[in-house]
Amino acid sequence: ETGVTQSPTHLIKTRGQQVTLRCSSQSGHNTVSWYQQALGQGPQFIFQYYREEENGRGNFPPRFSGLQFPNYSSELNVNALELDDSALYLCASSRRGGIYGYTFGSGTRLTVV
Amino acid sequence: GEDVEQSLFLSVREGDSSVINCTYTDSSSTYLYWYKQEPGAGLQLLTYIFSNMDMKQDQRLTVLLNKKDKHLSLRIADTQTGDSAIYFCAESIMNYGGSQGNLIFGKGTKLSVKP
Repeated sequence: ETGVTQSPTHLIKTRGQQVTLRCSSQSGHNTVSWYQQALGQGPQFIFQYYREEENGRGNFPPRFSGLQFPNYSSELNVNALELDDSALYLCASSRRGGIYGYTFGSGTRLTVV
Repeated sequence: GEDVEQSLFLSVREGDSSVINCTYTDSSSTYLYWYKQEPGAGLQLLTYIFSNMDMKQDQRLTVLLNKKDKHLSLRIADTQTGDSAIYFCAESIMNYGGSQGNLIFGKGTKLSVKP
């Protein structure tokens, strides 16, 4: 059983640019969530996808958007990058109807300069 | 609103017990979790407890839940240097359909274990 994999592991972007982060969910999982973890903070919920549709969203602006594909993998897109977007971005997968928590990937460290 | 609070640091000696505390505000929380994060890594689910339970034990880990005070604790028995990490408490509210909703995390407690 493979876990959650994220790519790339590290990324440096310039303010104003756009970035796409990718996630492959754990085998058997059909729901994907994205979290932002700033340095020294707990993860903050960005949004969740189920059946290729957004299924819940946290307090993040529209320039944060996502996709889920038929194989349950997912992308997080961030437009017009700001310095405060520098963080660890975590993808988590789960099974709809499941109650045993989420499986997290190792994250993508995004630095905006 | 929803909020989860944790103390930021805890230091213990190897072999002692560690107790990490957490308070939450949402009375409708249905699931409560403890995650572990090692440097440069993602989050590892350690254990969870449903809000209708008072205690759960899993090997060296004991979770206690006081619903009246909205207080959750994680006890690690015989703490080892490999337990040094940041521990996050998280709450989740059941979605329509019975599955867990998004997680609301505390800021994490950094556990340092001295040999």
